Amino acid sequence: QQKVQQSPESLSVPEGGMASLNCTSSDRNFQYFWWYRQHSGEGPKALMSIFSDGDKKEGRFTAHLNKASLHVSLHIRDSQPSDSALYFCAASEPTGGYKVVFGSGTRLLVSP
Amino acid sequence: AQTIHQWPVAEIKAVGSPLSLGCTIKGKSSPNLYWYWQATGGTLQQLFYSITVGQVESVVQLNLSASRPKDDQFILSTEKLLLSHSGFYLCAWSRKTNTEVFFGKGTRLTVV
Repeated sequence: QQKVQQSPESLSVPEGGMASLNCTSSDRNFQYFWWYRQHSGEGPKALMSIFSDGDKKEGRFTAHLNKASLHVSLHIRDSQPSDSALYFCAASEPTGGYKVVFGSGTRLLVSP
Repeated sequence: AQTIHQWPVAEIKAVGSPLSLGCTIKGKSSPNLYWYWQATGGTLQQLFYSITVGQVESVVQLNLSASRPKDDQFILSTEKLLLSHSGFYLCAWSRKTNTEVFFGKGTRLTVV
């Protein structure tokens, strides 16, 4: 069973709109979370990390973590066509954190 | 600045043939190193990780092996390819546990 589940599988938003991506872990050992973005034909690149409960904002991107429910979300405001990509949530344990587990991914399409 | 170089960019190989993929990380001593596999548009499956030279841990069994002959080099190989080995192979590194993972540009492998 996938330890890190993402939803939705795909998402379409208009340019300038808000995109909301969700991620839930089934393993309470996972305490550290990252969001990655992968454009077609490239390796993923990290967008931001979140290790503590609450919100973390970086530019147009806001991540939210609720450790009690093991739920992480990513919100992209003022979405741009260049944001169209595959987004992954990644989780790891505080110890042995080199075992990084990636979620199933959400494909975001931002239409002009 | 740190750089990661993967080779080859793409391979088309026959079932039953051997395979060797490699990557080199420059500009960072003693990185954690990783191999990931990705089906087309799919999630990232961690295959191996290495914390130090000569030491490699397997995460999943896919009839592949990995070695770290030098501090900055990571090799993925198999003696006999299967059709199921097709996909996108990504080498990656991190500074220490629970921090950002930096991915290479990947190798597209097609087994026919």
